[in-house]
Amino acid sequence: EAGVAQSPRYKIIEKRQSVAFWCNPISGHATLYWYQQILGQGPKLLIQFQNNGVVDDSQLPKDRFSAERLKGVDSTLKIQPAKLEDSAVYLCASSPMGGGSGYTFGSGTRLTVV
Amino acid sequence: AQSVTQLGSHVSVSEGALVLLRCNYSSSVPPYLFWYVQYPNQGLQLLLKYTSAATLVKGINGFEAEFKKSETSFHLTKPSAHMSDAAEYFCAVSDPLGGGADGLTFGKGTHLIIQP
Repeated sequence: EAGVAQSPRYKIIEKRQSVAFWCNPISGHATLYWYQQILGQGPKLLIQFQNNGVVDDSQLPKDRFSAERLKGVDSTLKIQPAKLEDSAVYLCASSPMGGGSGYTFGSGTRLTVV
Repeated sequence: AQSVTQLGSHVSVSEGALVLLRCNYSSSVPPYLFWYVQYPNQGLQLLLKYTSAATLVKGINGFEAEFKKSETSFHLTKPSAHMSDAAEYFCAVSDPLGGGADGLTFGKGTHLIIQP
């Protein structure tokens, strides 16, 4: 079974620029999550999708962050404009049916904002 | 709101010694509980999970954890540490009754150091 795919693997941008991350979940997984992991901390949930609908975006900084999951498969997370404090690893995870069925994480995208 | 507390940001043990990583949670309902391991520059790998079945959960690589409701704890143990166990370990909780909102809430992590 192929895992959760994320790209790019690394990204360096200047502050105030925009950036986008892509995630392809495991085939058939209805639920998709984006997490932000700042160095030295545990991951923090940004947004959860169920198919192509948003279930929870309460911790997403909506003034600069946006996400979509068209057709209920791939997802993109965008930051515009980026700030220095956005430097982090952005992890995507998917699950077939939510928490009890487990979550599979991708390798993440490491963003550095300079 | 849920929260997770991992006691000890760094834990050092000798190779062959017992590994004990502590995790306490706060939740208004019996949660699902997870332990993940993260190696440098890699994603999170599931070690084990508790989803309201047996309270003693066995995972991969010889790890196990026991859910103790009275202590709101889910400590991770391994009888004999190997050098390959050196990594960052995260305890996490999700709400099975969150109306579909079941994203994980993570602790800050514990860095496990194995001394030769």
